[in-house]
Amino acid sequence: SQQGEEDPQALSIQEGENATMNCSYKTSINNLQWYRQNSGRGLVHLILIRSNEREKHSGRLRVTLDTSKKSSSLLITASRAADTASYFCATVAGFGNEKLTFGTGTRLTIIP
Amino acid sequence: DAGITQSPRHKVTETGTPVTLRCHQTENHRYMYWYRQDPGHGLRLIHYSYGVKDTDKGEVSDGYSVSRSKTEDFLLTLESATSSQTSVYFCATSQHRADTQYFGPGTRLTVL
Repeated sequence: SQQGEEDPQALSIQEGENATMNCSYKTSINNLQWYRQNSGRGLVHLILIRSNEREKHSGRLRVTLDTSKKSSSLLITASRAADTASYFCATVAGFGNEKLTFGTGTRLTIIP
Repeated sequence: DAGITQSPRHKVTETGTPVTLRCHQTENHRYMYWYRQDPGHGLRLIHYSYGVKDTDKGEVSDGYSVSRSKTEDFLLTLESATSSQTSVYFCATSQHRADTQYFGPGTRLTVL
């Protein structure tokens, strides 16, 4: 079963615009992670946010976490053509758990 | 990124034949994971390892077995491949429990 569900499933924006993707999950978490996957490639880790954190930044990426709503968002500012990829959230449920559970992803297309 | 390689990268096989996929890492990470990726399902965990000879089942373990005799190698075996096991298989590693995972490039397996 999927723990994380991304919204929207697909998103197309003009280069230079901001892109926002959302993730909802079902159970309490230890941390939530965002990954990017370029077509035909493996996943690349973007950001990890712990359950006691509310916001993290990395370059043009901003992740927020609202544990009361069991949701997270990934904001990519000033998008570039190279940001075209699928983005996945993944959660580690509870504590003492080694496993990540992935959502089905958001397909982001940046139009030059 | 962690040095993670997967072999083979592509394989076509027939129903009923045994198949072994290999994951090799050079980072001395304790944890290793096997996922499969299918359209509409995101990534689903098959098996994982938390140390040499220590493995456990994931969400979709039926029809798969794993072995880890050395820190650097994690093998996934399909004892008798079925068409439902046609998928892209990813290996991942992490240094600590519930931590960032580093992914290999994937193996595309087709079972005819």
